[in-house]
Amino acid sequence: AQKVTQAQTEISVVEKEDVTLDCVYETRDTTYYLFWYKQPPSGELVFLIRRNSFDEQNEISGRYSWNFQKSTSSFNFTITASQVVDSAVYFCALKSNFGNEKLTFGTGTRLTIIP
Amino acid sequence: DTGVSQDPRHKITKRGQNVTFRCDPISEHNRLYWYRQTLGQGPEFLTYFQNEAQLEKSRLLSDRFSAERPKGSFSTLEIQRTEQGDSAMYLCASSPLGVAATTGELFFGEGSRLTVL
Repeated sequence: AQKVTQAQTEISVVEKEDVTLDCVYETRDTTYYLFWYKQPPSGELVFLIRRNSFDEQNEISGRYSWNFQKSTSSFNFTITASQVVDSAVYFCALKSNFGNEKLTFGTGTRLTIIP
Repeated sequence: DTGVSQDPRHKITKRGQNVTFRCDPISEHNRLYWYRQTLGQGPEFLTYFQNEAQLEKSRLLSDRFSAERPKGSFSTLEIQRTEQGDSAMYLCASSPLGVAATTGELFFGEGSRLTVL
Protein backbone atom coordinates (compact mmCIF):
# COMPACT_ATOMS: atom_id res chain seq x y z
CA ALA A 1 0.00 0.00 0.00
CA GLN A 2 1.13 3.52 -0.67
CA LYS A 3 0.92 6.32 1.83
CA VAL A 4 1.90 9.98 1.98
CA THR A 5 2.19 11.78 5.30
CA GLN A 6 2.23 15.53 5.69
CA ALA A 7 2.49 15.94 9.43
CA GLN A 8 2.22 19.71 9.39
CA THR A 9 -1.46 20.55 9.18
CA GLU A 10 -1.04 24.31 9.27
CA ILE A 11 1.94 26.64 9.16
CA SER A 12 2.00 30.42 9.49
CA VAL A 13 5.05 32.52 8.79
CA VAL A 14 5.68 36.21 8.37
CA GLU A 15 6.28 37.40 4.84
CA LYS A 16 9.87 37.06 3.61
CA GLU A 17 10.63 34.22 5.99
CA ASP A 18 11.68 30.86 4.60
CA VAL A 19 9.41 27.89 5.20
CA THR A 20 9.79 24.15 4.66
CA LEU A 21 6.88 21.80 4.10
CA ASP A 22 7.55 18.19 5.02
CA CYS A 23 6.47 15.11 3.09
CA VAL A 24 7.19 11.51 4.04
CA TYR A 25 6.03 8.65 1.87
CA GLU A 26 5.71 4.87 2.02
CA THR A 27 5.78 2.54 -0.93
CA ARG A 28 6.99 -0.97 -1.72
CA ASP A 29 7.71 -0.01 -5.30
CA THR A 30 11.30 0.39 -6.35
CA THR A 31 10.46 3.07 -8.86
CA TYR A 32 7.86 5.74 -8.38
CA TYR A 33 7.08 9.40 -8.88
CA LEU A 34 6.63 12.15 -6.31
CA PHE A 35 4.69 15.36 -6.85
CA TRP A 36 3.85 18.64 -5.21
CA TYR A 37 0.63 20.49 -5.98
CA LYS A 38 -0.62 23.86 -4.72
CA GLN A 39 -4.31 24.50 -4.03
CA PRO A 40 -5.10 28.21 -3.75
CA PRO A 41 -8.45 29.40 -2.33
CA SER A 42 -10.04 29.17 -5.78
CA GLY A 43 -9.79 25.39 -5.50
CA GLU A 44 -7.98 24.17 -8.58
CA LEU A 45 -4.81 22.23 -7.90
CA VAL A 46 -1.74 23.61 -9.60
CA PHE A 47 1.17 21.35 -10.48
CA LEU A 48 4.53 22.41 -9.05
CA ILE A 49 6.94 19.54 -9.64
CA ARG A 50 7.34 15.85 -10.41
CA ARG A 51 10.34 13.81 -9.31
CA ASN A 52 11.40 10.32 -10.43
CA SER A 53 12.60 8.02 -7.69
CA PHE A 54 15.85 7.32 -9.49
CA ASP A 55 16.74 11.01 -9.67
CA GLU A 56 17.78 12.27 -6.25
CA GLN A 57 19.10 15.59 -7.40
CA ASN A 58 17.61 18.47 -5.55
CA GLU A 59 15.83 21.03 -7.66
CA ILE A 60 15.46 24.76 -7.47
CA SER A 61 12.96 26.87 -9.35
CA GLY A 62 13.05 30.51 -8.41
CA ARG A 63 12.05 30.77 -4.74
CA TYR A 64 11.04 27.11 -4.64
CA SER A 65 13.35 24.22 -3.90
CA TRP A 66 12.81 20.53 -3.30
CA ASN A 67 14.91 18.13 -1.26
CA PHE A 68 14.41 14.47 -2.17
CA GLN A 69 16.04 11.94 0.17
CA LYS A 70 15.33 8.36 -0.69
CA SER A 71 17.11 7.10 2.45
CA THR A 72 14.52 8.79 4.65
CA SER A 73 11.62 8.54 2.18
CA SER A 74 11.15 12.28 2.26
CA PHE A 75 10.45 14.91 -0.37
CA ASN A 76 10.44 18.27 1.34
CA PHE A 77 9.53 21.60 -0.22
CA THR A 78 11.09 24.92 0.76
CA ILE A 79 9.84 28.36 -0.14
CA THR A 80 12.46 31.06 0.24
CA ALA A 81 11.50 34.66 0.98
CA SER A 82 7.82 33.78 1.24
CA GLN A 83 5.17 36.07 -0.21
CA VAL A 84 1.49 36.50 0.56
CA VAL A 85 0.64 34.88 -2.79
CA ASP A 86 2.21 31.67 -1.51
CA SER A 87 -0.68 31.26 0.91
CA ALA A 88 -2.44 28.04 -0.11
CA VAL A 89 -2.78 24.38 0.76
CA TYR A 90 0.13 22.32 -0.51
CA PHE A 91 -0.17 18.63 -1.30
CA CYS A 92 2.51 16.03 -1.74
CA ALA A 93 1.57 13.00 -3.86
CA LEU A 94 2.99 9.64 -4.90
CA LYS A 95 2.47 7.44 -7.92
CA SER A 96 3.72 3.96 -8.61
CA ASN A 97 5.70 3.56 -11.80
CA PHE A 98 3.77 0.44 -12.66
CA GLY A 99 0.46 0.15 -14.36
CA ASN A 100 -1.92 2.58 -12.83
CA GLU A 101 -2.40 6.31 -13.14
CA LYS A 102 -3.53 6.88 -9.57
CA LEU A 103 -1.93 9.61 -7.49
CA THR A 104 -1.98 9.09 -3.74
CA PHE A 105 -2.14 12.46 -2.02
CA GLY A 106 -1.23 13.47 1.49
CA THR A 107 -3.65 15.42 3.65
CA GLY A 108 -2.02 18.72 2.79
CA THR A 109 -0.38 21.57 4.67
CA ARG A 110 -2.18 24.89 4.87
CA LEU A 111 0.39 27.65 4.58
CA THR A 112 -0.50 31.18 5.61
CA ILE A 113 1.89 34.01 4.90
CA ILE A 114 1.31 36.94 7.22
CA PRO A 115 1.99 40.34 5.65
CA ASP B 1 -6.93 27.88 -24.50
CA THR B 2 -9.38 27.45 -21.70
CA GLY B 3 -8.59 25.23 -18.78
CA VAL B 4 -10.56 22.30 -17.43
CA SER B 5 -14.11 23.38 -16.74
CA GLN B 6 -16.59 21.71 -14.43
CA ASP B 7 -20.30 22.17 -14.08
CA PRO B 8 -22.09 22.83 -11.84
CA ARG B 9 -19.68 24.44 -9.41
CA HIS B 10 -22.03 23.87 -6.52
CA LYS B 11 -24.86 21.42 -6.06
CA ILE B 12 -27.10 21.01 -3.03
CA THR B 13 -29.36 18.01 -3.06
CA LYS B 14 -31.45 15.93 -0.74
CA ARG B 15 -30.43 12.46 0.27
CA GLY B 16 -31.65 9.88 -2.20
CA GLN B 17 -31.58 12.16 -5.23
CA ASN B 18 -29.38 11.61 -8.26
CA VAL B 19 -26.80 14.16 -9.33
CA THR B 20 -24.61 14.48 -12.40
CA PHE B 21 -21.42 16.46 -12.83
CA ARG B 22 -19.84 17.38 -16.12
CA CYS B 23 -16.18 17.91 -16.92
CA ASP B 24 -14.81 19.47 -20.08
CA PRO B 25 -11.09 18.78 -20.32
CA ILE B 26 -8.53 20.82 -22.17
CA SER B 27 -9.08 20.05 -25.83
CA GLU B 28 -6.86 17.30 -27.22
CA HIS B 29 -6.09 15.95 -23.77
CA ASN B 30 -6.85 12.29 -24.14
CA ARG B 31 -6.56 11.46 -20.44
CA LEU B 32 -9.24 12.46 -17.98
CA TYR B 33 -9.35 11.83 -14.24
CA TRP B 34 -11.91 12.15 -11.47
CA TYR B 35 -10.87 12.71 -7.87
CA ARG B 36 -12.90 13.36 -4.75
CA GLN B 37 -11.80 15.68 -1.97
CA THR B 38 -13.47 15.91 1.43
CA LEU B 39 -12.88 18.75 3.86
CA GLY B 40 -9.39 18.78 5.26
CA GLN B 41 -8.24 15.85 3.16
CA GLY B 42 -6.23 15.38 0.03
CA PRO B 43 -7.84 14.35 -3.24
CA GLU B 44 -8.69 10.66 -3.60
CA PHE B 45 -8.58 8.96 -6.96
CA LEU B 46 -11.90 7.74 -8.35
CA THR B 47 -11.41 6.83 -11.98
CA TYR B 48 -9.49 7.53 -15.15
CA PHE B 49 -10.22 7.52 -18.89
CA GLN B 50 -7.97 7.30 -21.86
CA ASN B 51 -10.08 8.66 -24.69
CA GLU B 52 -13.47 7.00 -24.20
CA ALA B 53 -12.13 3.92 -22.40
CA GLN B 54 -12.43 3.80 -18.62
CA LEU B 55 -9.17 2.10 -17.69
CA GLU B 56 -9.07 2.36 -13.94
CA LYS B 57 -11.63 2.52 -11.15
CA SER B 58 -11.05 2.93 -7.44
CA ARG B 59 -12.84 0.84 -4.87
CA LEU B 60 -14.23 4.19 -3.69
CA LEU B 61 -16.38 4.16 -6.80
CA SER B 62 -19.32 2.17 -5.48
CA ASP B 63 -22.08 0.89 -7.73
CA ARG B 64 -23.99 4.12 -7.09
CA PHE B 65 -21.31 5.98 -9.02
CA SER B 66 -20.93 5.85 -12.77
CA ALA B 67 -18.61 7.81 -15.01
CA GLU B 68 -18.66 8.07 -18.76
CA ARG B 69 -16.72 9.74 -21.50
CA PRO B 70 -18.76 8.78 -24.52
CA LYS B 71 -16.88 10.53 -27.31
CA GLY B 72 -13.54 10.88 -25.65
CA SER B 73 -14.11 14.54 -24.95
CA PHE B 74 -16.27 15.65 -22.01
CA SER B 75 -17.04 13.32 -19.14
CA THR B 76 -19.92 12.93 -16.72
CA LEU B 77 -19.92 11.58 -13.20
CA GLU B 78 -23.31 10.48 -11.91
CA ILE B 79 -24.11 9.63 -8.32
CA GLN B 80 -27.36 7.78 -7.76
CA ARG B 81 -29.28 7.71 -4.49
CA THR B 82 -26.96 10.22 -2.87
CA GLU B 83 -25.94 9.80 0.75
CA GLN B 84 -24.63 12.39 3.17
CA GLY B 85 -21.21 10.75 2.96
CA ASP B 86 -21.07 11.71 -0.71
CA SER B 87 -20.72 15.38 0.27
CA ALA B 88 -17.36 16.41 -1.14
CA MET B 89 -15.61 18.36 -3.85
CA TYR B 90 -15.43 16.37 -7.08
CA LEU B 91 -12.35 17.30 -9.05
CA CYS B 92 -11.70 16.63 -12.69
CA ALA B 93 -8.27 16.72 -14.29
CA SER B 94 -6.90 16.12 -17.74
CA SER B 95 -3.52 15.54 -19.30
CA PRO B 96 -2.19 15.02 -22.80
CA LEU B 97 -0.31 11.93 -21.73
CA GLY B 98 -0.07 9.87 -18.59
CA VAL B 99 1.51 11.08 -15.39
CA ALA B 100 4.61 9.06 -16.16
CA ALA B 101 5.20 10.92 -19.43
CA THR B 102 6.76 14.30 -19.93
CA THR B 103 6.27 16.37 -16.79
CA GLY B 104 3.44 14.27 -15.48
CA GLU B 105 1.36 17.37 -14.92
CA LEU B 106 -2.35 17.01 -14.37
CA PHE B 107 -4.48 20.07 -15.16
CA PHE B 108 -7.27 20.34 -12.63
CA GLY B 109 -10.59 22.12 -12.81
CA GLU B 110 -11.98 24.14 -9.94
CA GLY B 111 -14.21 21.30 -8.87
CA SER B 112 -17.89 20.66 -8.27
CA ARG B 113 -18.91 20.91 -4.66
CA LEU B 114 -21.69 18.56 -3.62
CA THR B 115 -23.69 19.00 -0.43
CA VAL B 116 -26.15 16.25 0.44
CA LEU B 117 -28.73 17.25 3.03
